Amino acid sequence: GAGVSQSPSNKVTEKGKDVELRCDPISGHTALYWYRQSLGQGLEFLIYFQGNSAPDKSGLPSDRFSAERTGGSVSTLTIQRTQQEDSAVYLCASSRIVKQETQYFGPGTRLLVL
Amino acid sequence: AQKITQTQPGMFVQEKEAVTLDCTYDTSDQSYGLFWYKQPSSGEMIFLIYQGSYDEQNATEGRYSLNFQKARKSANLVISASQLGDSAMYFCAMREGRSAGDKLVFGAGTILRVKS
Repeated sequence: GAGVSQSPSNKVTEKGKDVELRCDPISGHTALYWYRQSLGQGLEFLIYFQGNSAPDKSGLPSDRFSAERTGGSVSTLTIQRTQQEDSAVYLCASSRIVKQETQYFGPGTRLLVL
Repeated sequence: AQKITQTQPGMFVQEKEAVTLDCTYDTSDQSYGLFWYKQPSSGEMIFLIYQGSYDEQNATEGRYSLNFQKARKSANLVISASQLGDSAMYFCAMREGRSAGDKLVFGAGTILRVKS
């Protein structure tokens, strides 16, 4: 079956602009996660959606970052007023909600802020 | 405090030999899960193997096995019969908590290079 898909695969933007990154999880997966991978910081958790529960936003680095998940499926991560330090690969993962279920990752969106 | 420690920034192994990638973790939870992911130069994160904290047997998936030593809090990945395609970054990760959907915490990764 289809895996996690993300778009765009690459995004170059100017400092101060807003960007939207999209994630389409594996069909039937009710949990969706966003992570960020940057040089020097490794892989960091950003936000987690589980079904209709309130999302866990504990990893968002600032209030310029927000995410939503519509209809329990597709998710959009929005970064407002981008800064150069936002340059990273943004990875989305999804999983079923059963005990210790594996998270499957998408190919990522490479964001470069000039 | 760092929860996942991968002490080997880089490793070399000869093709067809076995290699062990180290991972130690820190948690006070009794229920947790340990994962290994492979990230080739193309960037995708590929799930390799999973070990639950209550699993008594070491996990195995083909050429991958996980040497789980709970008392020492280590979860080393063993790759047998290395292949050139095994060259990649390898991440150890842990999920804590009683909730099935908790986030993963990753180690810094180990770059593996397989020599022909």
